[in-house]
This record gives sequence, C-alpha cells and structure tokens, in this order.
Amino acid sequence: GAVVSQHPSWVICKSGTSVKIECRSLDFQATTMFWYRQFPKQSLMLMATSNEGSKATYEQGVEKDKFLINHASLTLSTLTVTSAHPEDSSFYICSASSAGEYNEQFFGPGTRLTVL
Amino acid sequence: SQQGEEDPQALSIQEGENATMNCSYKTSINNLQWYRQNSGRGLVHLILIRSNEREKHSGRLRVTLDTSKKSSSLLITASRAADTASYFCATKVMEGNTPLVFGKGTRLSVIA
Repeated sequence: GAVVSQHPSWVICKSGTSVKIECRSLDFQATTMFWYRQFPKQSLMLMATSNEGSKATYEQGVEKDKFLINHASLTLSTLTVTSAHPEDSSFYICSASSAGEYNEQFFGPGTRLTVL
Repeated sequence: SQQGEEDPQALSIQEGENATMNCSYKTSINNLQWYRQNSGRGLVHLILIRSNEREKHSGRLRVTLDTSKKSSSLLITASRAADTASYFCATKVMEGNTPLVFGKGTRLSVIA
C-alpha cells in the first residue's frame, strides 16, 4: 500500500505554545487528507477533512481557529495546534486519500502530543 | 461522530482460542474495514469488505458483513499472544473522498 508519513512522531511542548504536525503522502498524490484525534483508550475521532487548495471542513465541536489545517500541495498537509493546553494532549493521526475508483485511505503512524 | 459500536469492549482469551469481535453501524455503507492498533502505535489495515460482499478471508482472519442488520464480525482463529491489540471497525459511508468513521474498538488480550 501507499506510504504516509507524519512528523514529528512525538512532541512535548509548554502550555500556550503552538505545534505544527506534518502529514506527507510519499508515493502518491493525496487529493484529500483527514485528521483524526485519539485520546488514551479511546477510538479515533475525525477532526477535519482537507482538500488540496481549499479550506478544511471541520467536524462539529472542533475549533477551526485552534486547529489550523493547511493542505497546500497534493503531498503535504499540516495541522497546527495553536496555544496548546494540556487537554490538547492526544495522539493525532492523519490519513491521505487519492482520487480513483476506491479512494482508499492510508494512515500515517501518528504524532503523540504532550502539552505540559 | 462515531458510526460503529464494537462488542465486546474488551476480550481476554487463551492462546490458541478463537476471538470474535462484532461491530454494528448506523447508516448504509460503501465498505467496512477492520484495523488493528497496538498500544500507542499507528493503525494496521487488516481487511476491507464491500457492501455487496458477505464474507472475506485473509489468513487467520475471517470477516462477515450483514448489511440487513448493519453489522460485521471479525474472527481471529488460533489466536497468538502477538494478536493482543485494539481492533477497530471503520465504515465508509459513500464513494468518493469521504472519511472513514471508526467504532469504539475492542481491546483483545491473548494470554500465553
């Protein structure tokens, strides 16, 4: 299957700072990327859907001004957690989907964010 | 929002036994997928079953889909300690670039 990478794999930051997480599709062009958040012992919750070159669509309850998503190219999407607080500590997972018959989603390995 | 509910939430079995996990969902789907996640790690795609399929096999995995009951099951035969992980079903509601929606997951523990 296709490969999706995330960087960094883990990050620790102080409360009030901003953190940027990158999601890259390494061997295919991703017309759409999805961002999920997973709290300990819970499932993945969809945060937003981003299409290349357009604004992201956020799920209900997800603050768009806090979680800035940029999908500037067909291989890169970024999620910036602005003014992070301890409650933002979570596992963030992106997935990328290509155009085509099945629009299969490929998942990145995740980024663990800890806000002190 | 979550589409699926897994049952049971947690399952503990002995090595060599079979493990069955169930998933129910709410809306019509294009396909249903099962994933495994080891603690603190990323997702591993196990199997995809389309809405017009009823059963699929992959190695020790057997997945069934009953669209009339909006449910799916994942059977792992002859379980091994290495199968210990969380298992999630995820549904794709329609064709196109729509997201997978995950169920709550089943935590499987296989005791050696």
